[in-house]
Amino acid sequence: KAGVTQTPRYLIKTRGQQVTLSCSPISGHRSVSWYQQTPGQGLQFLFEYFSETQRNKGNFPGRFSGRQFSNSRSEMNVSTLELGDSALYLCASSLTGNFETQYFGPGTRLLVL
Amino acid sequence: AQKVTQAQTEISVVEKEDVTLDCVYETRDTTYYLFWYKQPPSGELVFLIRRNSFDEQNEISGRYSWNFQKSTSSFNFTITASQVVDSAVYFCALSEAILGNEKLTFGTGTRLTIIP
Repeated sequence: KAGVTQTPRYLIKTRGQQVTLSCSPISGHRSVSWYQQTPGQGLQFLFEYFSETQRNKGNFPGRFSGRQFSNSRSEMNVSTLELGDSALYLCASSLTGNFETQYFGPGTRLLVL
Repeated sequence: AQKVTQAQTEISVVEKEDVTLDCVYETRDTTYYLFWYKQPPSGELVFLIRRNSFDEQNEISGRYSWNFQKSTSSFNFTITASQVVDSAVYFCALSEAILGNEKLTFGTGTRLTIIP
């Protein structure tokens, strides 16, 4: 079985731009959750999608949004980028969601200049 | 508000030694889940365990074991006979549902270095 894939792996943007990151879960998994990892704030949960619906949400501003498609692939969008959005963004897939037995992708490293 | 504390920022042990990583949590909920994750130098997170608040039995998986004690709000992780491949950052986490929204809160992580 193929693992979780994330694209792109690296990205450089400038302040004010927007960015879309993609995550393809393991085949058959219906849950995708997203995380942000920075040296200052550590690991933080962004949101979880299950069967195309946002099921759980962390404490991030509305600039961070996501969606999930019928094939379970998920995208995360960050609008009006700030320097502090520079981070490693990880996604995880799970069969049933709610953080049960998750499989993580390699992450997308975003640098905002 | 939920909180996870990993007081040990960095630990170094010689290969084959046992090592325990501490995790203390705070929550007002009676139903919650506790987790451990491993992040090796490659950066990819690895899920290790999920334990619900009603199951206080210790868990063992090969060289890994977890000790859950509600009385002290701790969920400690022990690696027996450590190996160089165990070198990684380990995160403890807690999830609880608030008004139907389940949130996952991570500790700051413990960097474990196994010295060959």
